[in-house]
Amino acid sequence: GENVEQHPSTLSVQEGDSAVIKCTYSDSASNYFPWYKQELGKRPQLIIDIRSNVGEKKDQRIAVTLNKTAKHFSLHITETQPEDSAVYFCAASGMQRPPPFGGFKTIFGAGTRLFVKA
Amino acid sequence: DGGITQSPKYLFRKEGQNVTLSCEQNLNHDAMYWYRQDPGQGLRLIYYSQIVNDFQKGDIAEGYSVSREKKESFPLTVTSAQKNPTAFYLCASSDRGQPTNEKLFFGSGTQLSVL
Repeated sequence: GENVEQHPSTLSVQEGDSAVIKCTYSDSASNYFPWYKQELGKRPQLIIDIRSNVGEKKDQRIAVTLNKTAKHFSLHITETQPEDSAVYFCAASGMQRPPPFGGFKTIFGAGTRLFVKA
Repeated sequence: DGGITQSPKYLFRKEGQNVTLSCEQNLNHDAMYWYRQDPGQGLRLIYYSQIVNDFQKGDIAEGYSVSREKKESFPLTVTSAQKNPTAFYLCASSDRGQPTNEKLFFGSGTQLSVL
């Protein structure tokens, strides 16, 4: 079945350094790749996403890159701050069935716990 | 907060008991999802529904059941057949009708524990 691998499982960086989280996916039909941030005790929130027709997307201090041929995508956080500490999930999404009952199925990676030390 | 509401926040199940987790959304979203979150394993899909009166099994559907009688509601029942139900359960929804309809909106979750 579909699978998303995420590495590393834990990442510790010094404030101001960069953090990189990498994911690979198995389903060739996947065409949407979101990243979610989950702070302790809270719900996951979308922070950035990328579609398969784009190789890179940036939003202030965060960026995502996609290599569709290799089925790799990565999250880059620059100038990290203590409030960036959280669990980050990558995901891959693709159409599962045609209309009218068709829709998207999203498969998540196992998550990366990021610690930013002040 | 608001938009998608889960209840209760904490739930305890006795052995052999079925329990039902509630998920309600007022976002007018067509699609709804249930995920299970265990430490170190990320979010795993239990069931999903793209439209009223239709739902599909996810990767770990055994021991669970759902219904989708109304667009705004997608309750999850954890049956006695689920031998390891202790986990954090997250409900999500998305709007099938928009270009970015894959974006998931999550509820605040229900922590289920076994007594």
